[in-house]
Parts: sequence; structure tokens; C-alpha cells
Amino acid sequence: SQKIEQNSEALNIQEGKTATLTCNYTNYSPAYLQWYRQDPGRGPVFLLLIRENEKEKRKERLKVTFDTTLKQSLFHITASQPADSATYLCARCLDSNYQLIWGAGTKLIIKP
Amino acid sequence: KAGVTQTPRYLIKTRGQQVTLSCSPISGHRSVSWYQQTPGQGLQFLFEYFSETQRNKGNFPGRFSGRQFSNSRSEMNVSTLELGDSALYLCASSLTNGQYEKLFFGSGTQLSVL
Repeated sequence: SQKIEQNSEALNIQEGKTATLTCNYTNYSPAYLQWYRQDPGRGPVFLLLIRENEKEKRKERLKVTFDTTLKQSLFHITASQPADSATYLCARCLDSNYQLIWGAGTKLIIKP
Repeated sequence: KAGVTQTPRYLIKTRGQQVTLSCSPISGHRSVSWYQQTPGQGLQFLFEYFSETQRNKGNFPGRFSGRQFSNSRSEMNVSTLELGDSALYLCASSLTNGQYEKLFFGSGTQLSVL
């Protein structure tokens, strides 16, 4: 089966530093990966999408990379702020019907 | 433009009861997907509706069902509730749920089964 794995341990980062979150997938390379942010008691909010043929995607302080050799996507937040504290989810697309398979998420804590 | 609206926000039920959750998608969105989220678990896909038709279904028992109305609003129903059904149920909408489309989520319905 096609799985997606994220570090289940919370990531603690000092304010101002770069936070890097990892998303690993098994089996076939997905057509694309999506990253979402989820705050407690809320639904996920879309952040970035990166396609299989893209190495890197940026949006303001956010950067996503896609390494099909390592079967991994990295999500970076530069100049991190306490307001960036949240759970970050990655999702891969099934090739056939565009349904998403989700990782369990990584909780990011930015300390002032 | 109003976002995805889910009602109710919280529900407490007892084992054996049944429950109906409601989702109003963003105006113009025709695809509605439902997910179950439990602590430490990724979002588990329940089913997806497009233009009143169920297009995809996840690996959940038949106690979980849903439907979509002509105005794209959707409901999901869980019958004969079990303790393990306690979870956050999320609804997401998109224009067509096609390739490269992002999902817009509601705040969810927190269901507790006692």
C-alpha cells in the first residue's frame, strides 16, 4: 500500500531559526504532494503544492522540496515565528483518482 | 466568500445511537470529501461526492454513509455508534477535486461517543 510518514515527535525550534519538517513516502512517486497547516480544533489549511517534476517551490517564508530519489519532501519555514506553531500535514496524491493519502502530521513549536 | 461550514461543532452520543453531520461547501464547489481524524492518526478518507454522486469511498464499514444534495451540501451519517467512532470529522470542498486542486476544510465536528 502507498504510505506517507511524518515525524510524530514534536519539533521545537527557536524563534528566528529555520524549521524543517520531513515527509517520506513509500512505493511509487506521487504525482504531487500537498502541505497543510492545522491549528488545534480547526480544519487543515492549504499551504503549498509541489509537483513530481518540480524540485522546489516557494511562498514567502515557506519552501518545499521534492526528492524522488530519496522519496522525500522537506518543508522549510525560514525566520520562524511563534505564530508558526501548529501541526503541519503532508498529503500525497493517488495516481488514479486524485484522492489524497495523509501523513499524521508533525507538531511544530516555535519558542520565543 | 463564505468558507466551508460544518454543523454541529460538537456532539456527544452514546453507543448504539446514530448521528448525522452536515457540511455546506464553498459556493460553486461541487466536490465534497469527508475525513475522520483521530489523535496521532492522519486524516482517514471516508468518501467523496461530486454532483450528488459518490465517486470514491474509503475503507470504512457500511455504518458510515453519506449523501450530497443538488445544492452541493452534504451530510454524513454514522449508525450504531461505537466508542472507536469518537473523532474529529472533517469536511473538505473543492471545485471538482481534480488533479492539483487544493482542498478547503471546515472546522470539523468533534464527535464523542460514550
